[in-house]
Amino acid sequence: QSALTQPASVSGSPGQSITISCTGSSHDIGGYDYVSWYQQHPGIAPKLIIYDVTYRPSGISDRFSGSKSGNTASLTISGLQAEDEADYYCSSYTASITVVFGGGTKLTVL
Amino acid sequence: EVQLVQSGAEVKKPGESLKISCETSGYTFNRYWIGWVRQMPGKGLEWIGFFYPDDSETRYSPSFQGQVTMSADKSITTAYLQWSSLEASDTAIYYCARRYSTSDTFDVWGQGTMVTVSS
Repeated sequence: QSALTQPASVSGSPGQSITISCTGSSHDIGGYDYVSWYQQHPGIAPKLIIYDVTYRPSGISDRFSGSKSGNTASLTISGLQAEDEADYYCSSYTASITVVFGGGTKLTVL
Repeated sequence: EVQLVQSGAEVKKPGESLKISCETSGYTFNRYWIGWVRQMPGKGLEWIGFFYPDDSETRYSPSFQGQVTMSADKSITTAYLQWSSLEASDTAIYYCARRYSTSDTFDVWGQGTMVTVSS
């Protein structure tokens, strides 16, 4: 099972919006509305920020939003803040009844 | 409050066995799958598998099938991940996490257990 494809890095200035893409196939992202996004700060466990493509867990800022088109899911962070600087990972359920993660994207807030 | 607290860091030699733990609290342990995720040094997340405490059903990633074993002790609401013979390539941080829904989402994570395998 190949990892989902994410850009290695993205950057943005405070206040701006950025989007991180996550590309898979009809076997995973394209076949199910089961995409999740996780935020991981250095040395800390990942934290769920989006599930089922568009849903935010309780306590997650509405600056984080998710979407999907075909085989590609996207995470958008609006009103970028310094504390958003972290690694972001997407994941998807697959037709093989497995879970596949993306390779991760390092977000730098300039 | 849902909490998953993992056992401490381990340093082992190749060929040794190991069992790490994930103690849970704040929810009905039997009713949620527990997942395990590996993160090798400086690398991304990899799904190892899921374990359902109620009936001990397992789902393993093909990459980890036969390499590790997931289990649990319902009486102490604790999940385990074990190796019978470690290799240097098993060096990584291992996270346990609760599976939230049918979408295989991990909603609450343990703090991670660092496993170092070195001769």
